[in-house]
Amino acid sequence: ETGVTQTPRHLVMGMTNKKSLKCEQHLGHNAMYWYKQSAKKPLELMFVYSLEERVENNSVPSRFSPECPNSSHLFLHLHTLQPEDSALYLCASSQGMGEQDTGELFFGEGSRLTVL
Amino acid sequence: SQKIEQNSEALNIQEGKTATLTCNYTNYSPAYLQWYRQDPGRGPVFLLLIRENEKEKRKERLKVTFDTTLKQSLFHITASQPADSATYLCASRGGGYNKLIFGAGTRLAVHP
Repeated sequence: ETGVTQTPRHLVMGMTNKKSLKCEQHLGHNAMYWYKQSAKKPLELMFVYSLEERVENNSVPSRFSPECPNSSHLFLHLHTLQPEDSALYLCASSQGMGEQDTGELFFGEGSRLTVL
Repeated sequence: SQKIEQNSEALNIQEGKTATLTCNYTNYSPAYLQWYRQDPGRGPVFLLLIRENEKEKRKERLKVTFDTTLKQSLFHITASQPADSATYLCASRGGGYNKLIFGAGTRLAVHP
């Protein structure tokens, strides 16, 4: 496999459920990201990990919990979500994160989440 | 706050014409701008990057310009084809740790 793979592609859950989104990158990159994309709104950065350490958390509600066990895998654990959390969740990776890195992002296909 | 704005209205053009999309940024001076293409239900795909010291960058039928005076980047697709129909996103570093800020995107529809 190549690129960035996200599973599941579609997820429907109730507000009391607990589920997880999974992301795997096969590009040897050092940084991984979670973005949220809602209709007609810009991509919102949620979490950034560099070398498995969280370096950015954009004031995301605690009902979203990221986990990065190694540089190739990233999870987003979901619990007690709200209907307004329904969106496309995109995982991405990049080669580096320094000031000199131009940091093109390689995205997965996304996980379409619907909260009932 | 740092902001990137793209024309939210869809752009409809005839096949063979040149499509021009606009990206404006405010309250900061990015070192570079990136352009991505996104098809419905798919993740964005990186197309081009242009640095602040470059006025123009080309890749096949794509051309990007960067005007630091106008705080604007233009994205052109020449000899457009229906297969070019997609949403195009502009992005730039918003500060620290390669934090990319995205515009909302402009949807392009190329009609045969």
